[in-house]
Amino acid sequence: GIQVEQSPPDLILQEGANSTLRCNFSDSVNNLQWFHQNPWGQLINLFYIPSGTKQNGRLSATTVATERYSLLYISSSQTTDSGVYFCAGQATDSWGKLQFGAGTQVVVTP
Amino acid sequence: GAVVSQHPSWVICKSGTSVKIECRSLDFQATTMFWYRQFPKQSLMLMATSNEGSKATYEQGVEKDKFLINHASLTLSTLTVTSAHPEDSSFYICSARVPLVPTYEQYFGPGTRLTVT
Repeated sequence: GIQVEQSPPDLILQEGANSTLRCNFSDSVNNLQWFHQNPWGQLINLFYIPSGTKQNGRLSATTVATERYSLLYISSSQTTDSGVYFCAGQATDSWGKLQFGAGTQVVVTP
Repeated sequence: GAVVSQHPSWVICKSGTSVKIECRSLDFQATTMFWYRQFPKQSLMLMATSNEGSKATYEQGVEKDKFLINHASLTLSTLTVTSAHPEDSSFYICSARVPLVPTYEQYFGPGTRLTVT
């Protein structure tokens, strides 16, 4: 299966700061998703982004499929952005199975 | 977005008993659902793929006789942890794949926290 590496593992931000999270894949993927896991454990879909760039409010994501990486941008961070951010990819022959990265723990301080 | 529910949210059971967890897709039909397990401070680990009307496919190292999966309808998959032991205590999360070709975006349930005493 594919390997998914996320960086950094931990991130501490002051409210209002911007940040970039990165996700590298060991092989091509045909499904790439970013999630935010809140303190209660719920995974919230942020982006479905196998390629290209998308924006949703203060969040945006870019996937460069040919170079096997994806970036998640958080702008003007708020305390509610705290939590764990996961990226997950589906290999082309994996029957829909998502492989998750280890996650980035984000703490936004007031 | 699509909504997936899980029941119960948390459960405490005694060692040796069985526990059933339900996963429902509320506003779409899901031919494929997935079951994950997550330990504290760790990532999600896929346990099995649940296909409506057929046997589940288990990942390597997951005991199929211990974690029984039934996907009896297009909106419901169940995971039964049989003869539970304290090491089965974990956070169990299901997901459902929205059947829109060519995308196969997955949506996740809120999870079930299992504690075996």
